[in-house]
Amino acid sequence: DQQVKQNSPSLSVQEGRISILNCDYTNSMFDYFLWYKKYPAEGPTFLISISSIKDKNEDGRFTVFLNKSAKHLSLHIVPSQPGDSAVYFCAGAAIQGAQKLVFGQGTRLTINP
Amino acid sequence: DVKVTQSSRYLVKRTGEKVFLECVQDMDHENMFWYRQDPGLGLRLIYFSYDVKMKEKGDIPEGYSVSREKKERFSLILESASTNQTSMYLCASSSSGRIRVEKLFFGSGTQLSVL
Repeated sequence: DQQVKQNSPSLSVQEGRISILNCDYTNSMFDYFLWYKKYPAEGPTFLISISSIKDKNEDGRFTVFLNKSAKHLSLHIVPSQPGDSAVYFCAGAAIQGAQKLVFGQGTRLTINP
Repeated sequence: DVKVTQSSRYLVKRTGEKVFLECVQDMDHENMFWYRQDPGLGLRLIYFSYDVKMKEKGDIPEGYSVSREKKERFSLILESASTNQTSMYLCASSSSGRIRVEKLFFGSGTQLSVL
Protein backbone atom coordinates (compact mmCIF):
# COMPACT_ATOMS: atom_id res chain seq x y z
CA ASP A 1 0.00 0.00 0.00
CA GLN A 2 1.79 3.09 -1.29
CA GLN A 3 0.59 5.88 0.98
CA VAL A 4 2.68 8.52 -0.76
CA LYS A 5 3.04 8.43 -4.53
CA GLN A 6 5.24 10.33 -6.91
CA ASN A 7 4.01 9.19 -10.28
CA SER A 8 6.73 10.80 -12.38
CA PRO A 9 10.02 8.91 -12.06
CA SER A 10 11.86 11.63 -13.94
CA LEU A 11 11.51 15.20 -15.13
CA SER A 12 13.69 17.26 -17.44
CA VAL A 13 13.54 21.08 -17.37
CA GLN A 14 15.51 23.81 -19.04
CA GLU A 15 17.64 26.06 -16.88
CA GLY A 16 15.77 29.20 -15.85
CA ARG A 17 12.31 27.66 -16.30
CA ILE A 18 9.96 26.41 -13.60
CA SER A 19 10.19 22.84 -12.29
CA ILE A 20 7.02 21.33 -10.86
CA LEU A 21 7.22 18.08 -8.94
CA ASN A 22 4.01 16.37 -7.88
CA CYS A 23 3.07 14.11 -5.00
CA ASP A 24 -0.19 12.41 -4.01
CA TYR A 25 -1.04 10.80 -0.71
CA THR A 26 -3.82 8.49 0.47
CA ASN A 27 -3.52 8.59 4.27
CA SER A 28 -5.98 11.19 5.57
CA MET A 29 -4.17 11.19 8.94
CA PHE A 30 -1.16 12.90 7.40
CA ASP A 31 -0.99 16.52 8.48
CA TYR A 32 2.62 17.41 7.82
CA PHE A 33 4.59 17.07 4.61
CA LEU A 34 8.25 17.46 3.78
CA TRP A 35 10.36 17.51 0.65
CA TYR A 36 13.87 16.09 0.59
CA LYS A 37 16.56 16.38 -2.04
CA LYS A 38 19.14 13.68 -2.67
CA TYR A 39 22.37 13.83 -4.64
CA PRO A 40 24.13 10.60 -5.65
CA ALA A 41 26.25 9.04 -2.90
CA GLU A 42 24.79 11.40 -0.29
CA GLY A 43 21.96 11.12 2.19
CA PRO A 44 18.73 13.07 1.58
CA THR A 45 18.69 16.64 2.89
CA PHE A 46 15.64 18.54 4.04
CA LEU A 47 14.33 21.13 1.60
CA ILE A 48 10.97 22.52 2.69
CA SER A 49 7.91 21.48 4.67
CA ILE A 50 4.25 22.40 5.02
CA SER A 51 1.66 21.84 7.69
CA SER A 52 -1.92 20.98 6.77
CA ILE A 53 -3.13 24.26 8.28
CA LYS A 54 -1.49 26.03 5.34
CA ASP A 55 -1.90 25.67 1.61
CA LYS A 56 1.39 27.27 0.62
CA ASN A 57 4.89 27.65 2.02
CA GLU A 58 7.68 29.51 0.33
CA ASP A 59 11.43 29.54 0.87
CA GLY A 60 13.44 31.41 -1.71
CA ARG A 61 13.15 29.66 -5.07
CA PHE A 62 11.16 26.80 -3.55
CA THR A 63 7.40 26.81 -2.95
CA VAL A 64 5.28 23.93 -1.79
CA PHE A 65 1.52 23.90 -2.42
CA LEU A 66 -0.91 21.65 -0.57
CA ASN A 67 -4.40 20.77 -1.78
CA LYS A 68 -5.95 18.80 1.08
CA SER A 69 -9.21 18.00 -0.69
CA ALA A 70 -7.31 16.43 -3.56
CA LYS A 71 -4.65 14.94 -1.25
CA HIS A 72 -2.04 16.45 -3.52
CA LEU A 73 1.05 18.54 -3.03
CA SER A 74 3.52 20.02 -5.43
CA LEU A 75 6.98 21.54 -5.23
CA HIS A 76 7.76 24.48 -7.51
CA ILE A 77 11.32 25.53 -8.20
CA VAL A 78 11.77 28.82 -10.02
CA PRO A 79 14.05 29.61 -11.64
CA SER A 80 15.56 26.15 -12.01
CA GLN A 81 19.34 25.90 -11.79
CA PRO A 82 21.77 23.11 -12.77
CA GLY A 83 22.51 22.48 -9.08
CA ASP A 84 18.87 21.53 -8.61
CA SER A 85 19.48 18.31 -10.55
CA ALA A 86 18.84 15.60 -7.95
CA VAL A 87 16.24 13.09 -6.82
CA TYR A 88 13.38 14.69 -4.89
CA PHE A 89 11.35 12.77 -2.33
CA CYS A 90 8.14 13.91 -0.74
CA ALA A 91 7.11 12.52 2.62
CA GLY A 92 4.04 12.64 4.81
CA ALA A 93 3.56 12.18 8.54
CA ALA A 94 0.97 12.53 11.28
CA ILE A 95 1.89 14.91 14.09
CA GLN A 96 0.04 12.78 16.58
CA GLY A 97 1.37 9.30 17.02
CA ALA A 98 4.51 7.76 15.66
CA GLN A 99 5.74 10.78 13.68
CA LYS A 100 7.47 8.47 11.27
CA LEU A 101 7.86 9.80 7.76
CA VAL A 102 6.42 7.86 4.82
CA PHE A 103 8.28 8.62 1.61
CA GLY A 104 7.28 8.53 -2.03
CA GLN A 105 9.27 6.78 -4.74
CA GLY A 106 11.18 9.91 -5.73
CA THR A 107 11.42 11.98 -8.91
CA ARG A 108 14.75 12.49 -10.67
CA LEU A 109 14.96 16.11 -11.81
CA THR A 110 17.45 17.04 -14.52
CA ILE A 111 18.07 20.70 -15.31
CA ASN A 112 19.46 21.20 -18.79
CA PRO A 113 21.71 24.19 -19.50
CA ASP B 1 27.20 21.06 12.58
CA VAL B 2 24.66 18.27 12.59
CA LYS B 3 26.12 14.89 11.84
CA VAL B 4 24.85 11.36 11.29
CA THR B 5 27.69 8.96 10.57
CA GLN B 6 27.33 5.53 9.03
CA SER B 7 30.36 3.32 9.57
CA SER B 8 30.72 1.99 6.03
CA ARG B 9 30.03 3.49 2.59
CA TYR B 10 30.23 0.16 0.79
CA LEU B 11 29.90 -3.40 2.04
CA VAL B 12 30.03 -6.70 0.18
CA LYS B 13 28.79 -9.77 2.04
CA ARG B 14 27.94 -13.35 1.22
CA THR B 15 24.52 -14.96 1.50
CA GLY B 16 23.92 -16.25 5.01
CA GLU B 17 26.39 -13.93 6.72
CA LYS B 18 25.37 -11.87 9.74
CA VAL B 19 25.77 -8.20 8.89
CA PHE B 20 26.01 -5.21 11.21
CA LEU B 21 25.38 -1.65 10.00
CA GLU B 22 26.33 1.02 12.50
CA CYS B 23 25.03 4.56 12.82
CA VAL B 24 26.06 7.31 15.22
CA GLN B 25 24.54 10.78 15.65
CA ASP B 26 26.02 13.69 17.57
CA MET B 27 22.88 15.81 17.99
CA ASP B 28 21.47 14.19 21.15
CA HIS B 29 18.38 13.22 19.17
CA GLU B 30 15.82 10.96 20.76
CA ASN B 31 14.62 9.34 17.53
CA MET B 32 16.63 7.19 15.15
CA PHE B 33 15.55 5.41 12.00
CA TRP B 34 16.77 2.89 9.44
CA TYR B 35 15.49 3.13 5.86
CA ARG B 36 16.41 1.31 2.70
CA GLN B 37 16.32 2.94 -0.70
CA ASP B 38 15.57 0.93 -3.82
CA PRO B 39 14.94 2.20 -7.37
CA GLY B 40 11.26 2.77 -8.00
CA LEU B 41 10.36 2.11 -4.37
CA GLY B 42 11.74 5.19 -2.65
CA LEU B 43 12.73 5.09 1.00
CA ARG B 44 11.09 2.40 3.07
CA LEU B 45 11.23 2.32 6.86
CA ILE B 46 12.75 -0.81 8.38
CA TYR B 47 12.91 -0.01 12.12
CA PHE B 48 12.91 3.03 14.35
CA SER B 49 13.62 3.86 17.96
CA TYR B 50 12.31 6.62 20.23
CA ASP B 51 14.66 6.02 23.10
CA VAL B 52 17.48 3.87 24.36
CA LYS B 53 16.57 0.18 24.37
CA MET B 54 13.27 0.92 22.61
CA LYS B 55 12.49 -0.20 19.08
CA GLU B 56 9.50 -0.25 16.79
CA LYS B 57 8.95 -2.12 13.54
CA GLY B 58 8.64 -0.06 10.41
CA ASP B 59 7.04 -1.14 7.16
CA ILE B 60 9.54 -3.84 6.13
CA PRO B 61 11.16 -5.32 9.28
CA GLU B 62 11.37 -8.93 8.08
CA GLY B 63 14.93 -10.24 8.04
CA TYR B 64 16.24 -7.36 10.16
CA SER B 65 16.73 -6.53 13.81
CA VAL B 66 18.09 -3.46 15.59
CA SER B 67 19.92 -2.51 18.73
CA ARG B 68 20.01 0.78 20.62
CA GLU B 69 22.12 0.44 23.73
CA LYS B 70 23.19 4.11 23.77
CA LYS B 71 21.28 7.20 22.74
CA GLU B 72 23.73 8.17 20.01
CA ARG B 73 24.08 4.75 18.39
CA PHE B 74 21.57 2.69 16.40
CA SER B 75 22.61 -0.57 14.78
CA LEU B 76 20.86 -2.52 12.04
CA ILE B 77 21.46 -6.26 11.97
CA LEU B 78 20.83 -8.61 9.08
CA GLU B 79 20.63 -11.96 10.84
CA SER B 80 21.27 -14.01 7.68
CA ALA B 81 21.91 -11.84 4.65
CA SER B 82 20.06 -12.64 1.44
CA THR B 83 20.45 -11.29 -2.08
CA ASN B 84 17.15 -9.38 -1.86
CA GLN B 85 18.71 -7.31 0.93
CA THR B 86 21.13 -5.76 -1.54
CA SER B 87 20.25 -2.09 -1.20
CA MET B 88 21.25 1.39 -0.05
CA TYR B 89 20.72 1.66 3.70
CA LEU B 90 20.12 5.07 5.22
CA CYS B 91 20.20 5.96 8.88
CA ALA B 92 18.45 9.09 10.15
CA SER B 93 17.77 10.88 13.40
CA SER B 94 15.38 13.54 14.66
CA SER B 95 14.42 15.28 17.85
CA SER B 96 10.95 14.76 19.31
CA GLY B 97 8.44 17.40 18.29
CA ARG B 98 5.20 18.12 20.11
CA ILE B 99 3.61 20.52 17.65
CA ARG B 100 5.10 19.39 14.39
CA VAL B 101 7.03 16.56 12.86
CA GLU B 102 10.71 17.25 13.24
CA LYS B 103 12.79 16.87 10.13
CA LEU B 104 15.09 13.93 9.71
CA PHE B 105 18.84 14.25 9.36
CA PHE B 106 20.30 11.48 7.24
CA GLY B 107 23.67 9.82 7.04
CA SER B 108 25.40 9.35 3.69
CA GLY B 109 24.22 5.77 3.35
CA THR B 110 25.75 2.30 3.13
CA GLN B 111 25.52 0.48 -0.19
CA LEU B 112 25.28 -3.18 0.73
CA SER B 113 25.77 -5.90 -1.85
CA VAL B 114 24.91 -9.48 -0.89
CA LEU B 115 26.40 -12.06 -3.24
